[in-house]
Amino acid sequence: GQQLNQSPQSMFIQEGEDVSMNCTSSSIFNTWLWYKQDPGEGPVLLIALYKAGELTSNGRLTAQFGITRKDSFLNISASIPSDVGIYFCAGTNAGGTSYGKLTFGQGTILTVHP
Amino acid sequence: DTAVSQTPKYLVTQMGNDKSIKCEQNLGHDTMYWYKQDSKKFLKIMFSYNNKELIINETVPNRFSPKSPDKAHLNLHINSLELGDSAVYFCASSLTRGAQKAFFGQGTRLTVV
Repeated sequence: GQQLNQSPQSMFIQEGEDVSMNCTSSSIFNTWLWYKQDPGEGPVLLIALYKAGELTSNGRLTAQFGITRKDSFLNISASIPSDVGIYFCAGTNAGGTSYGKLTFGQGTILTVHP
Repeated sequence: DTAVSQTPKYLVTQMGNDKSIKCEQNLGHDTMYWYKQDSKKFLKIMFSYNNKELIINETVPNRFSPKSPDKAHLNLHINSLELGDSAVYFCASSLTRGAQKAFFGQGTRLTVV
């Protein structure tokens, strides 16, 4: 089955620094999503990407849908303490028999030091 | 108002018991899901229902039985609970069966002792 490899597994950064994380897949997706999970909460959708090569921003967050359709990247600029959490990539193939099933990466644990 | 709500948030129970987790969404979505998050935070889909019809059934022990009385509710019943069932269970919903964006509930932390 499809597998996602997300890296890095964890990051420890200083407030104000930029952050990059990425996700690669063994097969193609037609949609990539990035979620953030705070402790004790469910994942919250940050950015959705629908086309290969697409670059989308949400405030200080920018994500890209890789041209090969097998990868995606998330950048966070000028990190702040509330960026702390676990970031997940997820891929799906809308339509067909996937029925909205999301395949998740292993997560990147982000720690921001004030 | 909470969009996707699950109850209970915490559930501690003994091995061999039967328990249920309830989920409700007020987003008007047609499709609902159950995901399991293990101790390493890995999220994996278990089931999906579209308009009360089961459309995704991953390799899950048949002790787990989802039930959808209507498209706004998806409950998860677990029989004969085992230690390995301890995890956080998330309910989610999306607009349609082909919709890409899923919205998650706060999760139910199940601990089997």
